[in-house]
Amino acid sequence: DGGITQSPKYLFRKEGQNVTLSCEQNLNHDAMYWYRQDPGQGLRLIYYSQIVNDFQKGDIAEGYSVSREKKESFPLTVTSAQKNPTAFYLCASTPTATNEKLFFGSGTQLSVL
Amino acid sequence: AQTVTQSQPEMSVQEAETVTLSCTYDTSESDYYLFWYKQPPSRQMILVIRQEAYKQQNATENRFSVNFQKAAKSFSLKISDSQLGDAAMYFCAYGNYGGSQGNLIFGKGTKLSVKP
Repeated sequence: DGGITQSPKYLFRKEGQNVTLSCEQNLNHDAMYWYRQDPGQGLRLIYYSQIVNDFQKGDIAEGYSVSREKKESFPLTVTSAQKNPTAFYLCASTPTATNEKLFFGSGTQLSVL
Repeated sequence: AQTVTQSQPEMSVQEAETVTLSCTYDTSESDYYLFWYKQPPSRQMILVIRQEAYKQQNATENRFSVNFQKAAKSFSLKISDSQLGDAAMYFCAYGNYGGSQGNLIFGKGTKLSVKP
């Protein structure tokens, strides 16, 4: 079945540690996105990539980094510079770099120890 | 900058009844997309319905329909014959047409409870 796979489902970060969230899709989609969801809030865009080896900052990119070395993969690293990383992180993709429809993964809950 | 506002943090409906969730947005664009997404307790985001701004006809998907008022910048979701499985967070979202931005802007959500 085609879809978006996020791992792990739960992740814990120690202070000063960098952690990487995985996002893999087998939908052959060009564009991929990372969103952050805080309790009582909507989704906010962290980074997005419309093509391999290219990505742009979203609204809340500080403290995060990404790479897009393969079409299928768009990992997100939460660095130690992100002082409030506890949130639910959602990865999404679209067939092209348009807003026709976002396909979402099942998310990763990141918590700070 | 575009904004999306959902003024109802929580709503409740009796099973088999109809409920309407409100959404307003602000944009200077004439062409755009509007969406309703459902997020059940599993936290998986599920597309409920999509509306293209250039289409005057309101979108419908089975028990879900929208009332799209472009001039008023209003995009409400009506759920008919509510079922227990409809209980979830519902998010209204806006997307620029053409994809140069490549992202959606979400409201803060409405939590819908369905009473048996």
